[in-house]
Amino acid sequence: KQEVTQIPAALSVPEGENLVLNCSFTDSAIYNLQWFRQDPGKGLTSLLLIQSSQREQTSGRLNASLDKSSGRSTLYIAASQPGDSATYLCAGENSSASKIIFGSGTRLSIRP
Amino acid sequence: NAGVMQNPRHLVRRRGQEARLRCSPMKGHSHVYWYRQLPEEGLKFMVYLQKENIIDESGMPKERFSAEFPKEGPSILRIQQVVRGDSAAYFCASSPREGDTEAFFGQGTRLTVV
Repeated sequence: KQEVTQIPAALSVPEGENLVLNCSFTDSAIYNLQWFRQDPGKGLTSLLLIQSSQREQTSGRLNASLDKSSGRSTLYIAASQPGDSATYLCAGENSSASKIIFGSGTRLSIRP
Repeated sequence: NAGVMQNPRHLVRRRGQEARLRCSPMKGHSHVYWYRQLPEEGLKFMVYLQKENIIDESGMPKERFSAEFPKEGPSILRIQQVVRGDSAAYFCASSPREGDTEAFFGQGTRLTVV
């Protein structure tokens, strides 16, 4: 049974810092891994998708990596801005592809 | 190509009423997932459907909840005899399921049971 864990649950840093959010999963037979952003009371915005044959993806100030052997993914945010404040969710899909399992998220707050 | 459309965005029901939540997947997508998010919690998988088939309903409560994805029209998540504990945000996602594919989420339906 796939379980996805995100650490830390909450993080507050001053503006301008680079930061790393962590996601770990129990079953290495992971197919895709996606990182999402969720603003309070809003829906999910897909940030990055790492497909099964890939190890990392980059979009602007965001970089996500996937290491299946260690069961970990990281989301790196460079030069953080107050507008980056949100909850960040990682979600993995098993090779059986029957469902996408979410972590509980990291609530990120960037202090001006 | 419009994104995943969910309606209504907000739904208020009295205890004991029925709630019907609709999800129209992206054009060309034949796979739909439903998730529930309780306040201050993560998204919990409920059900995975293809057109006219339920593939995985391991996350669905045993009673009062049902889902369908007919050949024509949106996917429907139906909650009968709602209780206050059903108050949550319900999200739908769709994907084409052709190899490595990305799941796209709707904006959710926020159900409040009073």
